[in-house]
Amino acid sequence: GESVGLHLPTLSVQEGDNSIINCAYSNSASDYFIWYKQESGKGPQFIIDIRSNMDKRQGQRVTVLLNKTVKHLSLQIAATQPGDSAVYFCAENMHRDSNYQLIWGAGTKLIIKP
Amino acid sequence: KAGVTQTPRYLIKTRGQQVTLSCSPISGHRSVSWYQQTPGQGLQFLFEYFSETQRNKGNFPGRFSGRQFSNSRSEMNVSTLELGDSALYLCASSLIVGGSAEAFFGQGTRLTVV
Repeated sequence: GESVGLHLPTLSVQEGDNSIINCAYSNSASDYFIWYKQESGKGPQFIIDIRSNMDKRQGQRVTVLLNKTVKHLSLQIAATQPGDSAVYFCAENMHRDSNYQLIWGAGTKLIIKP
Repeated sequence: KAGVTQTPRYLIKTRGQQVTLSCSPISGHRSVSWYQQTPGQGLQFLFEYFSETQRNKGNFPGRFSGRQFSNSRSEMNVSTLELGDSALYLCASSLIVGGSAEAFFGQGTRLTVV
């Protein structure tokens, strides 16, 4: 079935190191992908997005890579800081039955070690 | 600019009752989407409203319904509550419909069904 999933439920990273969070998606027709960050007690917060006609997009300290060949999405966070501790979700915008729907991954919890 | 506001923040209801949740989007945003978030299922899309019309719908039973008013404020209703309806209900607003743009989330309403 259609799904967006994450390879690792928890990722522990040393402060200052780079973090890479991975996501697999199954619908090759999806044309838009998004990463969100959710801190404890808060709603998800937009980080970065990418359209299917691109394979890389950079933001401030974050980079999203899209590999359509293997249907894989990753979020790279440079120089990880304590404030990056959160659960990270990927989502794909799927067009189905004349509808658009965001399909969300299960989330990866990022833990920053001091 | 004020963010997305959801009320109430917390609710405790009994099985069989019904509940109404409210969401006020960011000023100027006409799209409002609703999600259910549980530890086991992650973020599940409920429905999206744009200009007072339901534009997209997820795979939830008819007990879950919503509406949007002319000022873009939205309400979500769950009738005949079940224990499994206990979850964090999130609302997100966006400038356009269809999930192809950044969405801004509220802090959610934590519903507990006993």
